[in-house]
Amino acid sequence: GAGVSQSPSNKVTEKGKDVELRCDPISGHTALYWYRQSLGQGLEFLIYFQGNSAPDKSGLPSDRFSAERTGGSVSTLTIQRTQQEDSAVYLCASRTTGTWEQFFGPGTRLTVL
Amino acid sequence: AQKVTQAQTEISVVEKEDVTLDCVYETRDTTYYLFWYKQPPSGELVFLIRRNSFDEQNEISGRYSWNFQKSTSSFNFTITASQVVDSAVYFCALSEVISSGSARQLTFGSGTQLTVLP
Repeated sequence: GAGVSQSPSNKVTEKGKDVELRCDPISGHTALYWYRQSLGQGLEFLIYFQGNSAPDKSGLPSDRFSAERTGGSVSTLTIQRTQQEDSAVYLCASRTTGTWEQFFGPGTRLTVL
Repeated sequence: AQKVTQAQTEISVVEKEDVTLDCVYETRDTTYYLFWYKQPPSGELVFLIRRNSFDEQNEISGRYSWNFQKSTSSFNFTITASQVVDSAVYFCALSEVISSGSARQLTFGSGTQLTVLP
């Protein structure tokens, strides 16, 4: 079956612009996670959606970051007023109920000039 | 707070050598899960194995084996007879279990870059 997909694969933007990153989880997976991977900080958790529960936003680094998950499926991560330190690979993962392993998408490489 | 330490930043071996990647974790939880993921040069994280905190049985899958020792909070990964295709960054990760039975986010180690030379 299809895995987790993310778009775009690459995004170059100018400092101060807003960006939206999209994640399509594996069909039927109820849990969805966003992480980012950067050279200095490694792999960091950002936000977690589980079914219809309120998301766990404890990993979002600032209020410029937000995410939503519509219809329990597709998720969008939005970064407002991007800064150069936001440059990283943004990874999405999903997990099905009753299992523990997360399956990752290919990531979106964000470069803020 | 949870923490995962992979002290080996880079390891280089010659093909057919055995190699062990170390992972030490810290958690206050009694119930948790440990994972290993592989990130090849293509960049996508690939799930390798999951182990829960109540199961200390070692596991072998082909050339891969995992040694979980709760007493030392370690979850080490050994590749036997390494191959060039094993070259990748390997991440150890930890996840706590919520009371509802669901799993929280993964806390990752910093990764070990394994290079297998021909």
